[in-house]
Amino acid sequence: GAGVSQSPSNKVTEKGKDVELRCDPISGHTALYWYRQSLGQGLEFLIYFQGNSAPDKSGLPSDRFSAERTGGSVSTLTIQRTQQEDSAVYLCASSARTGGGGYTFGSGTRLTVV
Amino acid sequence: AQSVSQHNHHVILSEAASLELGCNYSYGGTVNLFWYVQYPGQHLQLLLKYFSGDPLVKGIKGFEAEFIKSKFSFNLRKPSVQWSDTAEYFCAAASNTGNQFYFGTGTSLTVIP
Repeated sequence: GAGVSQSPSNKVTEKGKDVELRCDPISGHTALYWYRQSLGQGLEFLIYFQGNSAPDKSGLPSDRFSAERTGGSVSTLTIQRTQQEDSAVYLCASSARTGGGGYTFGSGTRLTVV
Repeated sequence: AQSVSQHNHHVILSEAASLELGCNYSYGGTVNLFWYVQYPGQHLQLLLKYFSGDPLVKGIKGFEAEFIKSKFSFNLRKPSVQWSDTAEYFCAAASNTGNQFYFGTGTSLTVIP
């Protein structure tokens, strides 16, 4: 596609429920990144994909968080048993190469856990 | 540990005033440096980036930034701001071989007409 598409744009969920966030990167971009932006915080790195593999999962805050990428394209970030501290904007970015540069961000998914 | 610091959390300027937003990074190796902007209700957009070469980098919308290696700084400047520059500005650093971006906490700029 022309840009990075994320869905849903907004999600309100009850504490304890599972949520799935979707990212559709720019066609041909092999690198895909998930970040989250909490109120008053900068962007926090979550996970990075190169193709379908995730060489760097170091940013995932707990084992409730997982992500996968299929076909070198769409990625899904899953949060199980959501907690209120999971409330944030989850941003996806894609790039044609690693090492920075040429990043394009999606508009994000605003997750609110009530 | 690598980090990016933005010392100005909230800046308020009148139109036509000059802007300088501070950014310092800590990283021992070669870094790529970026400034991103997030306009209200929109996603992050790249303003400018520095990889190598001329340390004075010009970006979109009249913004520029200067990489000063000795000071580990990459300050963002604009000679004359406009109301439409009201936004959140993020400085970021990435190693040229690594896979992570390190973002500052952002500076909120409000330009008063």
